[in-house]
Amino acid sequence: DQQVKQNSPSLSVQEGRISILNCDYTNSMFDYFLWYKKYPAEGPTFLISISSIKDKNEDGRFTVFLNKSAKHLSLHIVPSQPGDSAVYFCAASGGNQFYFGTGTSLTVIP
Amino acid sequence: GAGVSQSPSNKVTEKGKDVELRCDPISGHTALYWYRQRLGQGLEFLIYFQGNSAPDKSGLPSDRFSAERTGESVSTLTIQRTQQEDSAVYLCASSLVWARGTQYFGPGTRLLVL
Repeated sequence: DQQVKQNSPSLSVQEGRISILNCDYTNSMFDYFLWYKKYPAEGPTFLISISSIKDKNEDGRFTVFLNKSAKHLSLHIVPSQPGDSAVYFCAASGGNQFYFGTGTSLTVIP
Repeated sequence: GAGVSQSPSNKVTEKGKDVELRCDPISGHTALYWYRQRLGQGLEFLIYFQGNSAPDKSGLPSDRFSAERTGESVSTLTIQRTQQEDSAVYLCASSLVWARGTQYFGPGTRLLVL
């Protein structure tokens, strides 16, 4: 049973526009969320995280929003750049549980 | 500094053979994780080690899978009697603190079982 879901397997965005990647989770015990970026033939690299005590965390062009009531988080990339093209995974943890979503492949078109 | 390293980077084996995958975590990281990513799928959590505590093996897909870690250093993931469905990229990650710490991933081992 997939406890962290990324329902959009792919997304294409024009360079300079906003990219919005979405993630839903089912377990209300999750209290820490992360986004990872993965290039082909490389391991995922950490991008940004958010604790459940917050609803927004910003780091440069990357902002993560958390809606606990909807069990939904999203990653906004503004402005999108061609180098942002990668697979993005959201992840959630709570207690000793840790789960990744299936990933969304982002393509930023120059 | 050195990141997480994994070896081999690629492994091709015949069905029924045993394989051993190695992970060298970042020095000082107490937590170590193994994941599997099958083609077109997300990361599947397999097992984690936290310090000297007994590992959580609940994610291992079958008893053909086992993992060991010596202290807070190298870990090996062993797959016995490999099957074709074991073909995947096996990723190792480490972090300073379990779960709350950012996980640093290695490049993965691409396993192909013929």
